[in-house]
Amino acid sequence: QQQVKQSPQSLIVQKGGISIINCAYENTAFDYFPWYQQFPGKGPALLIAIRPDVSEKKEGRFTISFNKSAKQFSLHIMDSQPGDSATYFCAAGGYENFNKFYFGSGTKLNVKP
Amino acid sequence: DAGITQSPRYKITETGRQVTLMCHQTWSHSYMFWYRQDLGHGLRLIYYSAAADITDKGEVPDGYVVSRSKTENFPLTLESATRSQTSVYFCASRPPGNPYEQYFGPGTRLTVT
Repeated sequence: QQQVKQSPQSLIVQKGGISIINCAYENTAFDYFPWYQQFPGKGPALLIAIRPDVSEKKEGRFTISFNKSAKQFSLHIMDSQPGDSATYFCAAGGYENFNKFYFGSGTKLNVKP
Repeated sequence: DAGITQSPRYKITETGRQVTLMCHQTWSHSYMFWYRQDLGHGLRLIYYSAAADITDKGEVPDGYVVSRSKTENFPLTLESATRSQTSVYFCASRPPGNPYEQYFGPGTRLTVT
């Protein structure tokens, strides 16, 4: 059973637009929700993360919105740029131990100039 | 340069052969991880290690063996490779004092024919 479901699978956005990627999780005991960014040929890199005690976290153009009751969280990329073109993964975990995270299936974002 | 490296970057092997993927980090991080990345599945944890000589299973450990005799190295062995193990493999490490963030290596693309 997939612990974290991510959508859409791919996304095309015009430069300057808003990119929105959604994730849903099953286990209410998860207590940490990171987003990773991966460029082709590279390993994923932590982009931004949120704990369930807050509903929103913003870092520059990247914002995580968190809805605990719906068990959903999303990544918003404001003023999307071609350099943001990458694959984005959401993840959830932290309740069993800090070493087990469950990743979504990934969203390939293409920002057109 | 400091960081996490993986070797080889690309590997083609035949079904039934043993293959070892290497991971080396220069940060002296205690925790290290192995993931596999498959289209539609995101990243799935294979094994992790809390320190030298301490390892534990992740989400998909079957068919894999790990060892950790030195803090800086964490090799992953496929004892008898199968086609279902064709994947991109990522090694990661976690810095002390931060229970959640993981730093990923560049990955090894393994093809089993």
